[in-house]
Parts: sequence; C-alpha cells; structure tokens
Amino acid sequence: NAGVTQTPKFQVLKTGQSMTLQCAQDMNHEYMSWYRQDPGMGLRLIHYSVGAGITDQGEVPNGYNVSRSTTEDFPLRLLSAAPSQTSVYFCASGPGGGTGGNTIYFGEGSWLTVV
Amino acid sequence: GENVEQHPSTLSVQEGDSAVIKCTYSDSASNYFPWYKQELGKRPQLIIDIRSNVGEKKDQRIAVTLNKTAKHFSLHITETQPEDSAVYFCAAFISNFGNEKLTFGTGTRLTIIP
Repeated sequence: NAGVTQTPKFQVLKTGQSMTLQCAQDMNHEYMSWYRQDPGMGLRLIHYSVGAGITDQGEVPNGYNVSRSTTEDFPLRLLSAAPSQTSVYFCASGPGGGTGGNTIYFGEGSWLTVV
Repeated sequence: GENVEQHPSTLSVQEGDSAVIKCTYSDSASNYFPWYKQELGKRPQLIIDIRSNVGEKKDQRIAVTLNKTAKHFSLHITETQPEDSAVYFCAAFISNFGNEKLTFGTGTRLTIIP
C-alpha cells in the first residue's frame, strides 16, 4: 500500500511549456484533489474529483486541466506554464462517498519552478 | 463557497505552556474539521480531526473543540515541546453526495521557545 504517489518530485519548466503532474492512489479512494502551496502560504484548491469521470473546479483552476478516467489516477496538466505557477503542488485523496468525516491523505508534493 | 479563517498567523509560546489556534468557517454544510501539521519541506500530516456531531476530541496533548452554532473550532496543544514547532492548518470539509471539498485556513506558524 503506497498511499498517494506523486511524480515528478522536482521539475523546472520554461515559460510556455506544458507538462503533467501525475497522482496515483492505491486505496480505492473516490475523492481526489490538487492543491498548490506558495511560499509561506496556505493550500489553495485547484481541482477536485468525487469519482471517475467527474471533476470540478476549486479556488484557483485557471491554467490547469484535470481528468479522472480511472479511480486510481488524477493527473494535473499545466497547459502553458507561467512563472506565477511556480509552487509546490500536493495531491490528496480520501474515501469520499458523501459519508462525511473522511481522512484526507496527502502525497509528498511536487516542486515546480517555471523560468 | 466555503471560507475558513485562521488566527493567529504566528504564535510563540514557552516550552511547557499551552497553545491555542482558532478557526471559523462560513458554510454550515461543512461536517468534518481536520487539523494538519506541516514541517518545512514536508507534506501536511493529519494530527487530529473532529466530526460535526462531536463537540470535543482529545488525543494525548492535543485537543480540538467545535462550536457548530458559532461555526468556530479550535486546536489546543498542552505541555508544548520543541518538536511541536511547525505550521498548523485547520480545514473544513463539505461532504454531501456529489459535492466534496476540503478548504484550508491560511496557517499558523507555531514556535516553541526552549
């Protein structure tokens, strides 16, 4: 049981490049989400999903796309990287299902720098 | 959408004293309130949580209280130790079928002074 796995851990991009941050969980969780954390700041929700085939926008979705074709995977795509997207990205998952009181587990984070 | 406010943003306490961090939330549909501890360069780690049908929960030196009427919840750390120094985040989770979202407060940097 690996929990929530994020790749890559570190990435440097040039402005305008695109890339995908991968997130996978092996706990059969319905709920998955992506957050960004800027230096000295809190966690802001980018996109989330309550199950395969279902995604929704969070607080700061602009410049990012997501898809949820399987229960296990929830990739985050940066369409055209900008320096403002330099941040640490965390993927998180939880059992979901509308039952409430579900522990959310975080991946180790992906450090992204856009130059 | 949900808005979570957290105070104070920084907190320094003498080792052995207590620390209290307070949060408020706006959406009465939120029904789960976790607290996370984050050390520098690490992922947030769950330290304690409380569900909306409970008013207080304690785990050794850590306790959380919830006032649903006032939409307040607080983290209490007693007998603080140097290893308690970290950034602490409160969060509120809405969990209705088809609508599940975890919203974080802005964090409290806790420093324990030896």
